[in-house]
Amino acid sequence: SYELTQPSSVSVSPGQTATITCSGDALPRQYVYWYQQKPGQAPILVMSKDRERPSGIPERFSGSASGTSVTLTISSVQTEDEGDYYCQSGDGRGPSPVVFGGGTQLTVL
Amino acid sequence: QVQLQESGPGLVKPSETLSLTCTVSGASISSRNFYWGWIRQPPGKGLEWIGNIYSSDSIFYNPSLKSRVSIYIDASKNQFSLRLSSTTAADAALYYCATSVVVTPPAIPDYDFWSGPFDYWGQGALVTVSS
Repeated sequence: SYELTQPSSVSVSPGQTATITCSGDALPRQYVYWYQQKPGQAPILVMSKDRERPSGIPERFSGSASGTSVTLTISSVQTEDEGDYYCQSGDGRGPSPVVFGGGTQLTVL
Repeated sequence: QVQLQESGPGLVKPSETLSLTCTVSGASISSRNFYWGWIRQPPGKGLEWIGNIYSSDSIFYNPSLKSRVSIYIDASKNQFSLRLSSTTAADAALYYCATSVVVTPPAIPDYDFWSGPFDYWGQGALVTVSS
């Protein structure tokens, strides 16, 4: 089955830049969406179609895509950005239009 | 603002059927401007998509769960529901309902239609599978 690969954890200090990658063979043809999930809360959409920021999401969140990888970048990381981040995409006209990455735990030291 | 709320039994016996309902407010369940989905998250683990439904008659299930899953809409109650049969301990999870905004309603949903983001989520319903 199709997989989206994310690093299991990323650690940064406040004010630094955090980058979280999502890799998958179909990503040159499929959009990626990113969710932030804090403990005990439902996920919220923080990036759409690789690089579109939904309304209400701070400008320090940005996205980019290159080949089979898509990157979520959080500039000037704040302590409130700590949580788990999941990418979502599709397997490219295969059997599953919705696949989630394994998640990345962002720790703000 | 669309709001979703999951409800249903928190405990299911192994081999029995898990049933959950999602009550929607702020939008009509019959609207062609949304599709509705279920996602689950085992304790301490990642997200797993279960399936989506659009306008009652278009449904797409996760192939790995397709033989056991049923999603349907009750328009009279503005709800959609999940049924998962033959449950095992592996089905224990926090179950979320969610919705995706449809900007351009299609005549017939295609693959790309179903691969959109989930814009709004419920708070989740925890289901334990145990005898």
